[in-house]
Amino acid sequence: DGGITQSPKYLFRKEGQNVTLSCEQNLNHDAMYWYRQDPGQGLRLIYYSQIVNDFQKGDIAEGYSVSREKKESFPLTVTSAQKNPTAFYLCASTPRRQGGTDTQYFGPGTRLTVL
Amino acid sequence: AQSVAQPEDQVNVAEGNPLTVKCTYSVSGNPYLFWYVQYPNRGLQFLLKYITGDNLVKGSYGFEAEFNKSQTSFHLKKPSALVSDSALYFCAVRVPTGAGSYQLTFGKGTKLSVIP
Repeated sequence: DGGITQSPKYLFRKEGQNVTLSCEQNLNHDAMYWYRQDPGQGLRLIYYSQIVNDFQKGDIAEGYSVSREKKESFPLTVTSAQKNPTAFYLCASTPRRQGGTDTQYFGPGTRLTVL
Repeated sequence: AQSVAQPEDQVNVAEGNPLTVKCTYSVSGNPYLFWYVQYPNRGLQFLLKYITGDNLVKGSYGFEAEFNKSQTSFHLKKPSALVSDSALYFCAVRVPTGAGSYQLTFGKGTKLSVIP
């Protein structure tokens, strides 16, 4: 998990509230990713960003939003439009060097529970 | 669609026995394949990857994986399992997203239980 921090570790939210999950990396990586993990479904990509001030939707972006104002930070907002937000959220980053292999390195995760 | 499949939800093995966690892939072109491990309530840890070259790839914690092009497989192996190897294992493949960018597509994971 070293080099990528996610906070908080556990997060509780009432229905109808937006909540922001933090992801910070000190690895000087260019690209950052957000995944959602549900039991038996593996990891599904929510959003990713290859460079500052740019990001793209992944496979399940509806109900989520992101920003990438700084290279080291990629916060994820879970909005009230997300119908089933209870899940384990993982942030990852990769160097994106030319010719690189895109090995992703993961943070420790945030478990979000909607009450 | 480019993807990986992990056909077993769970694998049980006795401590000291060899273990295999299976992964098959479906990609166009040459695959970049990865294995990750996840312990409970933790992030994923990188184990190893296949890019090109030797079909037997060695990784962390004594794990290795064999790339088999004819069978489109990339099975994870370890000669002697430890109780501490009990975890969730994910296979992944690098998939192009356009303009020289890539993402990883993950399998659904295989839970490995090593029995003392």
